[in-house]
Amino acid sequence: KNEVEQSPQNLTAQEGEFITINCSYSVGISALHWLQQHPGGGIVSLFMLSSGKKKHGRLIATINIQEKHSSLHITASHPRDSAVYICAVPSRPSNTGNQFYFGTGTSLTVIP
Amino acid sequence: NAGVTQTPKFQVLKTGQSMTLQCAQDMNHEYMSWYRQDPGMGLRLIHYSVGAGITDQGEVPNGYNVSRSTTEDFPLRLLSAAPSQTSVYFCASSPITKNIQYFGAGTRLSVL
Repeated sequence: KNEVEQSPQNLTAQEGEFITINCSYSVGISALHWLQQHPGGGIVSLFMLSSGKKKHGRLIATINIQEKHSSLHITASHPRDSAVYICAVPSRPSNTGNQFYFGTGTSLTVIP
Repeated sequence: NAGVTQTPKFQVLKTGQSMTLQCAQDMNHEYMSWYRQDPGMGLRLIHYSVGAGITDQGEVPNGYNVSRSTTEDFPLRLLSAAPSQTSVYFCASSPITKNIQYFGAGTRLSVL
């Protein structure tokens, strides 16, 4: 049973394309996280959101709590956006515990 | 501000050898955790700690030990390495009151 499902698993895009990565979850949550993992690198947190939409540069994250779904959009994609994008939700609705369910990640490759 | 520091970055072991993966954070975070990341699977929690002197098992604890003698350090010990422990290991820390984690750069471990 996967509490967090991401799609697609792999994605190849041409530079400049608009990209959408989807995340569905089955547990009640207080917030959802989007993480970025570069090849051979560590993991960094991009967004934590509990409602609506957040924007950081060319990255936009949205969440629909009722539908238990979140999307990560990348506008005007660039080869440096090539990475694995991971969706994560807390395993408990409260803010304590700091344990998460992680999606398996979406591997994005942006071709020049 | 170093954040979360993991050492070593790469390690090759023979079956049966023991070793310790080091993790240190300088953000005074109460919560620290160890994950392993395997192809096609999300990050899986091995052990975690909510403060100095307190540790608990995660989803996949077998074959690993941890201790938390100080707030800063959270080493992960492999007692007798097995090929099934070939993986990428990530340490993370977070403040206990916030649902956001800071990850180390990872340790790529191969057990032959």
